[in-house]
Amino acid sequence: GAGVSQSPSNKVTEKGKDVELRCDPISGHTALYWYRQSLGQGLEFLIYFQGNSAPDKSGLPSDRFSAERTGGSVSTLTIQRTQQEDSAVYLCASSSGADYGYTFGSGTRLTVV
Amino acid sequence: DQQVKQNSPSLSVQEGRISILNCDYTNSMFDYFLWYKKYPAEGPTFLISISSIKDKNEDGRFTVFLNKSAKHLSLHIVPSQPGDSAVYFCAASGNYGQNFVFGPGTRLSVLP
Repeated sequence: GAGVSQSPSNKVTEKGKDVELRCDPISGHTALYWYRQSLGQGLEFLIYFQGNSAPDKSGLPSDRFSAERTGGSVSTLTIQRTQQEDSAVYLCASSSGADYGYTFGSGTRLTVV
Repeated sequence: DQQVKQNSPSLSVQEGRISILNCDYTNSMFDYFLWYKKYPAEGPTFLISISSIKDKNEDGRFTVFLNKSAKHLSLHIVPSQPGDSAVYFCAASGNYGQNFVFGPGTRLSVLP
């Protein structure tokens, strides 16, 4: 596609439920990143996929968070047993590595009630 | 410990004047820097970059200056326009294309 697509754009979930957030990167981009932005905070790195290499999971805040990237394209970020502090905007970005910087999606606003 | 700092959470500037957004970093291994702009309900969009081999990069109204010895960079917008009102993020990487560390952002308001 023309840009990075994320779905859903908004998600409200009850505390304790699991959620899945989806990211469709730009076709051909080998690198994919997940960030989150909590209210009033900057962008917090979560996880990074590069080609077929093992992902860099160093930013995941707890073992309730996991992510997959199938076929080197679509990625799913899963949050299990959601907590209120998980409420944030989750941003996905992709990069070809040859460009300057990333292209971000519009994000998924997650609200845990 | 924040590796990338933007100490001004907000900045207001009159239309037509210069906006200067500052960013400081602590990791001397950082050698590639980006500025992003973010409007509400949208993802950040890439604005301008600079690598450590340069001390200045210019693109239209936007100029980024890098002072490696001071671990400081700044974004200048001249002349500022109301459409520039957004949150600006500084980001740094020690390994081009991987794991940029973002600052907390500065909200710029350009007043007509």
